[in-house]
Amino acid sequence: DAGITQSPRYKITETGRQVTLMCHQTWSHSYMFWYRQDLGHGLRLIYYSAAADITDKGEVPDGYVVSRSKTENFPLTLESATRSQTSVYFCASSELGTGVYEQYFGPGTRLTVT
Amino acid sequence: AQRVTQPEKLLSVFKGAPVELKCNYSYSGSPELFWYVQYSRQRLQLLLRHISRESIKGFTADLNKGETSFHLKKPFAQEEDSAMYYCVVMDDKIIFGKGTRLHILP
Repeated sequence: DAGITQSPRYKITETGRQVTLMCHQTWSHSYMFWYRQDLGHGLRLIYYSAAADITDKGEVPDGYVVSRSKTENFPLTLESATRSQTSVYFCASSELGTGVYEQYFGPGTRLTVT
Repeated sequence: AQRVTQPEKLLSVFKGAPVELKCNYSYSGSPELFWYVQYSRQRLQLLLRHISRESIKGFTADLNKGETSFHLKKPFAQEEDSAMYYCVVMDDKIIFGKGTRLHILP
């Protein structure tokens, strides 16, 4: 199916564990983004990528690692999960830059860190 | 500091009444402004963007640079408008407002 997908959709993990959230898009969009959504904060940008092998920090990058070896994939890794990282994570892609171009969002991953 | 303020967490409006979702921003430069919407059980999606000056699903948003506002308006609310609405400012940064939940009362 064309579009942007995220996996898993739901994840429960323990404090200190490493967890990777996957994001895959089939449009060959250059830009991809990771956000977290928390009550009272709206969406906050974690990391984004302008192209394969190019990544940049967003507003809240601490505790997260990203990579983009292929244009279509943009995994987000929590190297040592903490309770404060319990959140809903959204991946998005955009054809070109962060300016006027529409971002297309995935369905989200609900992560609970116990 | 750059920020986007949506002062209302929840806005309840009767069906057929006018709707105004407020958005104020503090941003240097000339950012692009957007409204994104998330309907129940659906993905976050673009509603409209300032640069297009379009009307989508009856909604319009006027950029007031003097007041640094980008309020979203619709003259007659419909039940299907119930959703979470985010005002977004984009330049070299991407900043989402905290969102306003719009609840249309029958």
